[in-house]
Amino acid sequence: AQSVTQLDSHVSVSEGTPVLLRCNYSSSYSPSLFWYVQHPNKGLQLLLKYTSAATLVKGINGFEAEFKKSETSFHLTKPSAHMSDAAEYFCVVSDQSNNNDMRFGAGTRLTVKP
Amino acid sequence: DTAVSQTPKYLVTQMGNDKSIKCEQNLGHDTMYWYKQDSKKFLKIMFSYNNKELIINETVPNRFSPKSPDKAHLNLHINSLELGDSAVYFCASSQFLAGGYNEQFFGPGTRLTVL
Repeated sequence: AQSVTQLDSHVSVSEGTPVLLRCNYSSSYSPSLFWYVQHPNKGLQLLLKYTSAATLVKGINGFEAEFKKSETSFHLTKPSAHMSDAAEYFCVVSDQSNNNDMRFGAGTRLTVKP
Repeated sequence: DTAVSQTPKYLVTQMGNDKSIKCEQNLGHDTMYWYKQDSKKFLKIMFSYNNKELIINETVPNRFSPKSPDKAHLNLHINSLELGDSAVYFCASSQFLAGGYNEQFFGPGTRLTVL
């Protein structure tokens, strides 16, 4: 079965500095990988997705992620953090081992300091 | 237009009561899901329905029962509510693709508080 591990439960950055949210996955098949964002008291919004096309994926709001099969990683990055990026971020893996069910990581809370 | 909608947005009730949360999607998807998000923000899948058949049931107590009157709706009924049921419940939908991924679209969530 597939699984995903988000290596940091909380990341704090200063506004204007780079963001790195780490995610490692486990899958016996060719996985699809996603990053979702949840702002306070809001629902989940898809940031970006990898589905076996280009390994560097660009998403909304300036975020991007790189699929690295050799490292089983799918880290989320952004060159310059904005205050509005403060939210909870979820890394998600999906593969055919369980009807393409999506497995969520535990989440990383991003705090942006002024 | 709202793609996946849930009602109510907030639900406060007493222990022991029976309650339902409704979910509707207008995306024409054939699979719908219910997730529970606990106080630590961890998201755990509870159920999914594909073409009105239950295909996932993740060790959820039988007090929880999904009901799907049609492909566009998947309601969550909870009997004999307990304090530990307090959480945010998310509905989602997707279009199943054999051998492919199924990006899920989420509703806004229902915050359930059991007193």
